[in-house]
Amino acid sequence: KAGVTQTPRYLIKTRGQQVTLSCSPISGHRSVSWYQQTPGQGLQFLFEYFSETQRNKGNFPGRFSGRQFSNSRSEMNVSTLELGDSALYLCASSLGAGVQETQYFGPGTRLLVL
Amino acid sequence: KNEVEQSPQNLTAQEGEFITINCSYSVGISALHWLQQHPGGGIVSLFMLSSGKKKHGRLIATINIQEKHSSLHITASHPRDSAVYICAARGYTSGSRLTFGEGTQLTVNP
Repeated sequence: KAGVTQTPRYLIKTRGQQVTLSCSPISGHRSVSWYQQTPGQGLQFLFEYFSETQRNKGNFPGRFSGRQFSNSRSEMNVSTLELGDSALYLCASSLGAGVQETQYFGPGTRLLVL
Repeated sequence: KNEVEQSPQNLTAQEGEFITINCSYSVGISALHWLQQHPGGGIVSLFMLSSGKKKHGRLIATINIQEKHSSLHITASHPRDSAVYICAARGYTSGSRLTFGEGTQLTVNP
């Protein structure tokens, strides 16, 4: 089975722009979670989707949003980009949404905001 | 105080040494994960523990629920083990939401 894929892998944007990142989970996986990783804050949870419904959201401003499609692919959007949004954005998929599920991580999208 | 804390933050070892990375958490959890992140960013899930001990090759993970503490051990360390190791806790009611430790940068010299 193919692993979790994320596109694009690298992205450069300027302040004020918006960006959309995409995540394709492992075939058959219905849960997708998004994480932000920065040198200062480490890994932080953004949100989780299961069967097209957002089940959980981290402590991020409303500029960060996401959605999941019927084929389980997920997108996250960041509007009005700020310098501090520069980070590695990781998505992870799991078969279900239970607490004992193993998450499989994608390679990440590295976003640089200038 | 972070909900999940790791120690040490940095660890340098010689090839062949036995390595221990520690993780303490302050909340009730349903599972504790150990992750490995290589340069470039890719993360691999090594273990998921809710009790006891798990072993995979040279890696061993243990958890003590009463003491809210987990350890990751690497036996006969090798330069290819050089990576950042991250523990992450999943609560009872938060679904698949993970809370991460700061990570331990491990460097194994030949």
